[in-house]
Amino acid sequence: SQTIHQWPATLVQPVGSPLSLECTVEGTSNPNLYWYRQAAGRGLQLLFYSVGIGQISSEVPQNLSASRPQDRQFILSSKKLLLSDSGFYLCAWSAGHFNEQYFGPGTRLTVT
Amino acid sequence: QKEVEQNSGPLSVPEGAIASLNCTYSDRGSQSFFWYRQYSGKSPELIMSIYSNGDKEDGRFTAQLNKASQYVSLLIRDSQPSDSATYLCAVILTGGGNKLTFGTGTQLKVEL
Repeated sequence: SQTIHQWPATLVQPVGSPLSLECTVEGTSNPNLYWYRQAAGRGLQLLFYSVGIGQISSEVPQNLSASRPQDRQFILSSKKLLLSDSGFYLCAWSAGHFNEQYFGPGTRLTVT
Repeated sequence: QKEVEQNSGPLSVPEGAIASLNCTYSDRGSQSFFWYRQYSGKSPELIMSIYSNGDKEDGRFTAQLNKASQYVSLLIRDSQPSDSATYLCAVILTGGGNKLTFGTGTQLKVEL
């Protein structure tokens, strides 16, 4: 069966510091991978998605970037965090024709 | 008009009753529809997917799709306190490829 991991689970970072969040998927090959952010009391915002190694599509202009160095690894990064970057960051994967997406446990980021 | 709309609630139902959650979407060409359940502080969990008009049943859950009226609903029979959560409707819009567009969710409270 497929499993998706995210780490860390929680993170408190000062404004201006860098960020690296990692997501890995097990049990499937060539998945589509997604990064979402959910701000407090808000809906899910798609940040990036990837259909293959090195292929990244950005949905929202911001100070975040994403990379996919391996088939089942997706990384979200920032060089300098802003207060507005606080939120719940979710990685998801999908595969196959129907594109059902499955979410990881998430990383709760607080920028202070 | 939002692309995917849900009443934010909260929707309160007594234990054992049927909970009815509704979602409307703006893109008439949409073909794929999903319901996610999100407990407070947790990541969304896929509970139902539906692709053709009519009803789809899975245990206590029934998804209903009406493409002509552009709405999708989720019925929860014999509601339990453990069903208390936020329910997110998601749609793949025309030309959206693999991307889901989420509503902001409906909070359901099942009361003893």
